[in-house]
Amino acid sequence: DAGVIQSPRHEVTEMGQEVTLRCKPISGHNSLFWYRQTMMRGLELLIYFNNNVPIDDSGMPEDRFSAKMPNASFSTLKIQPSEPRDSAVYFCASSAEGLTQETQYFGPGTRLLVL
Amino acid sequence: GNSVTQMEGPVTLSEEAFLTINCTYTATGYPSLFWYVQYPGEGLQLLLKATKADDKGSNKGFEATYRKETTSFHLEKGSVQVSDSAVYFCALSATNTGNQFYFGTGTSLTVIP
Repeated sequence: DAGVIQSPRHEVTEMGQEVTLRCKPISGHNSLFWYRQTMMRGLELLIYFNNNVPIDDSGMPEDRFSAKMPNASFSTLKIQPSEPRDSAVYFCASSAEGLTQETQYFGPGTRLLVL
Repeated sequence: GNSVTQMEGPVTLSEEAFLTINCTYTATGYPSLFWYVQYPGEGLQLLLKATKADDKGSNKGFEATYRKETTSFHLEKGSVQVSDSAVYFCALSATNTGNQFYFGTGTSLTVIP
């Protein structure tokens, strides 16, 4: 199993540019999560999907952030326009739904730097 | 609501020392409890988990026991190694929140030779 795949692994962009982060969950998993990690705020849940449907997006910081999951094997997190305070590591994680709480499997993260 | 409170770091220990990282939780459902580890430059990896009261999760010499009476899930290891240097996250997932996880703030551990 390839695990959760994220791309790009590193992104450097200038303020005002659009940034798109991509995630491929583990095959068969039907829940997908986007997190942001910074030194100041730690690990924050931005949004999560179940069966491709957004369930809770209360963690999305503002309208500049949007996320989509057009099918079970792909999700994007978009920032438009980007700002320096968006610099962080963005993680995608997936899990399988079951009778008990399932383990979340994390991707390697995308390290975003907005100049 | 659901939340996790984790011991503040950073923690610095000498090799072969005993490790305890405290974690307590509040939950409105019947949570499963997890410890994740993040090595420098990597994503979070599951270290161990416990799904019901009195269960003990263990992996790589680490252990944690699900204590419902004290709402705790403290991480322990009898003899740490330099390779254990990482950030450790306690987390819960409750039956009333689907697959959503609640993570602690993380505890940074540095083990010196």
